[in-house]
Amino acid sequence: GAVVSQHPSRVICKSGTSVKIECRSLDFQATTMFWYRQFPKQSLMLMATSNEGSKATYEQGVEKDKFLINHASLTLSTLTVTSAHPEDSSFYICSAGGDGFGQPQHFGDGTRLSIL
Amino acid sequence: GDSVTQMEGPVTLSEEAFLTINCTYTATGYPSLFWYVQYPGEGLQLLLKATKADDKGSNKGFEATYRKETTSFHLEKGSVQVSDSAVYFCALSYNQGGKLIFGQGTELSVKP
Repeated sequence: GAVVSQHPSRVICKSGTSVKIECRSLDFQATTMFWYRQFPKQSLMLMATSNEGSKATYEQGVEKDKFLINHASLTLSTLTVTSAHPEDSSFYICSAGGDGFGQPQHFGDGTRLSIL
Repeated sequence: GDSVTQMEGPVTLSEEAFLTINCTYTATGYPSLFWYVQYPGEGLQLLLKATKADDKGSNKGFEATYRKETTSFHLEKGSVQVSDSAVYFCALSYNQGGKLIFGQGTELSVKP
């Protein structure tokens, strides 16, 4: 069964609103979670590393104020897209695990965000 | 820096055909290598992995061998099915943090 749950699976909202996406590890504790963005027909681009109890580490070119990440517990990380615009429309995927050598990450099912 | 390169898709095969999806990598250290599969509208699922040179990962009829000398991790399956139609991603990671570096993905379409 799924070990990482991502919610919601699909969001459609108006330009200017903020959208929160949740990522939960279901049967393990995750001190680190990852947020990816995927454009149609393209690969996954790592946006940021979410660290429990501390600030997220953002990849170069990702706006920290635009994509707010909170990792308040060992099983939950949230990504908030603030003041979303049509260019923020994308498929967002989280992952957790992979803290040990060679251990694979487990991915959520992704969130399809559409900004009108 | 580290990177992963996959053969371009889409790859279209008939059912029961042999599949090869090429993957090569550039790494400064000794990463683990992975193949993930993404079905339409879904997240990624781990297909197989290999943690060191000459390791062979296998799952559901798919295989890939970690070749350090050629820096490759090609995915193979002897007989594909329609249900194998998906996008396949090759990736690498190191033990620190588990951050994955992905290839660009290869779309596979299997026709009956």
